[in-house]
Amino acid sequence: TQLLEQSPQFLSIQEGENLTVYCNSSSVFSSLQWYRQEPGEGPVLLVTVVTGGEVKKLKRLTFQFGDARKDSSLHITAAQTGDTGLYLCAGQSSNYKLTFGKGTLLTVNP
Amino acid sequence: NAGVTQTPKFQVLKTGQSMTLQCAQDMNHEYMSWYRQDPGMGLRLIHYSVGAGITDQGEVPNGYNVSRSTTEDFPLRLLSAAPSQTSVYFCASSYLKIGPNTEAFFGQGTRLTVV
Repeated sequence: TQLLEQSPQFLSIQEGENLTVYCNSSSVFSSLQWYRQEPGEGPVLLVTVVTGGEVKKLKRLTFQFGDARKDSSLHITAAQTGDTGLYLCAGQSSNYKLTFGKGTLLTVNP
Repeated sequence: NAGVTQTPKFQVLKTGQSMTLQCAQDMNHEYMSWYRQDPGMGLRLIHYSVGAGITDQGEVPNGYNVSRSTTEDFPLRLLSAAPSQTSVYFCASSYLKIGPNTEAFFGQGTRLTVV
């Protein structure tokens, strides 16, 4: 079983602060994705990274894929209350199976 | 374009009852999967399929059956419901290989309670 460990599990910060969420595994993934989930909804894709060392930026969000394609991080700059939600990382293995981490529940307080 | 359609949205079952959760996609995706989401557990893979006629077990397959007779449909069957199967279930579909321009699409979820 390929495990994805996410940390921290819970994060509560003030609006305007920066934060980083981590996703680590002992396994290599062909691609890694970050999703955001709102209560009562299914996960929605934020980004896919496929190349070791890749860095992608989406406005205030920066995603990095580790050189060995085993880990990833999500950094949010100047968090806003609208960033509140459950952030999930998911890795696709060579047999196409998509495995999720347990998620990081982010609360941004005004 | 409906995407991934999952029914029902809510369901209450008595222990021992059986039922089928329906999942259909209209994007011609090869890969379909079922997850359950419990508090603090993230999404755990129950079963997945890489094409019609092909299914495989995920992390938590016990108590669930699946079949994939067509590309579009991937129903999940609970054989004899147990309280431990109380959860939110999500169906997802994607192209076989996820890349920079592809993603997994999720249904709206089924909130199942077994009493």
